[in-house]
Amino acid sequence: GENVEQHPSTLSVQEGDSAVIKCTYSDSASNYFPWYKQELGKRPQLIIDIRSNVGEKKDQRIAVTLNKTAKHFSLHITETQPEDSAVYFCACGGSQGNLIFGKGTKLSVKP
Amino acid sequence: ETGVTQTPRHLVMGMTNKKSLKCEQHLGHNAMYWYKQSAKKPLELMFVYNFKEQTENNSVPSRFSPECPNSSHLFLHLHTLQPEDSALYLCASSQAQTGTYEQYFGPGTRLTVT
Repeated sequence: GENVEQHPSTLSVQEGDSAVIKCTYSDSASNYFPWYKQELGKRPQLIIDIRSNVGEKKDQRIAVTLNKTAKHFSLHITETQPEDSAVYFCACGGSQGNLIFGKGTKLSVKP
Repeated sequence: ETGVTQTPRHLVMGMTNKKSLKCEQHLGHNAMYWYKQSAKKPLELMFVYNFKEQTENNSVPSRFSPECPNSSHLFLHLHTLQPEDSALYLCASSQAQTGTYEQYFGPGTRLTVT
């Protein structure tokens, strides 16, 4: 089955700096790669996703890049703000509709 | 957000109790999911229902029993749980036709087994 590795497990940055979180996956049939943000005590919420026919997608300060050949994808957050502090999860999905999640990255943005 | 609701939000139960968690989605989706989220293994997929049919059971112990009476409701029946079952139980739904689509999560039920 699919295996998703996410790094780093914790990340601390200064406000205004960029943050990058990386995930690798094992199943070449995976074709959907969402990123979820979970603030303390709240539900995971989708912030951006990408499909396998696209190499990069951007939405304001967040972007996701996908390298299908290497089977890895990354979340990039620019100009970080304290409200970006949360746990971020990557996930992979295939034709059956299920998502396999990474173990999460706790991002702390220091003011 | 009221797209996916879960009740109760908090539950404390003894190891000999029987309780049920409820999930309801108001998004017109046809797939529903149960996840377990704990400090050691975040977001473990437990059960998947597509069009009310269970399509996946990720080796979950039989003390967890899911029920999906229709495409809008999902239950997780609990009995004789263990302390290590204490976790946040999240329900999610999606519109799964062909391929994978965005999953919307409920707020979760924080379960404590004493």
